[in-house]
Amino acid sequence: EDQVTQSPEALRLQEGESSSLNCSYTVSGLRGLFWYRQDPGKGPEFLFTLYSAGEEKEKERLKATLTKKESFLHITAPKPEDSATYLCAVQTGPPAGGYQKVTFGIGTKLQVIP
Amino acid sequence: GAVVSQHPSWVICKSGTSVKIECRSLDFQATTMFWYRQFPKQSLMLMATSNEGSKATYEQGVEKDKFLINHASLTLSTLTVTSAHPEDSSFYICSASGVSSYEQYFGPGTRLTVT
Repeated sequence: EDQVTQSPEALRLQEGESSSLNCSYTVSGLRGLFWYRQDPGKGPEFLFTLYSAGEEKEKERLKATLTKKESFLHITAPKPEDSATYLCAVQTGPPAGGYQKVTFGIGTKLQVIP
Repeated sequence: GAVVSQHPSWVICKSGTSVKIECRSLDFQATTMFWYRQFPKQSLMLMATSNEGSKATYEQGVEKDKFLINHASLTLSTLTVTSAHPEDSSFYICSASGVSSYEQYFGPGTRLTVT
């Protein structure tokens, strides 16, 4: 059974205090690992897709990395507007058009204090 | 790009009635659409995956006769909650992915309250 574990469940940072969120996974046949941001009462917003170990992607203050067992979302000098729940998800299965299994972690609720 | 809409954004219905939720990809063709539900302070739980023109694949524990999914075109999928009960109250979110990538783009969600 595919498993995705995110830590910590909640994180409180001072504005400008960099940190990392962790997503560890146990799956068979990883197709992609995704990071999303979700604000309360809204659907998740896509951030990154990582496909293979060693891959890194950046967007503004966020940087996602991937190993064979886990992914990190690094937040550099966060601002209050970065406050949200960050979700990690893994996708397994055949290429698009066939059945795809997606498993989400429970998320890390990030609060950035001014 | 990659915009997904849902309608309605919220709905209140009486127990025993049916509710239909629409999910549309506005600027791309969605070969696959996903339906999730999310309870307060919990993560997204995948309910089913549907490919255009095919029957949906339901996750274990999800009643296919209760949650009817139709993916009739490359831009539209619908979820019908039949004979809704209070325990079906939840936040339902759809997502869509195109033919060239695995990324899912999510709709804004539909808050269903069954009284």
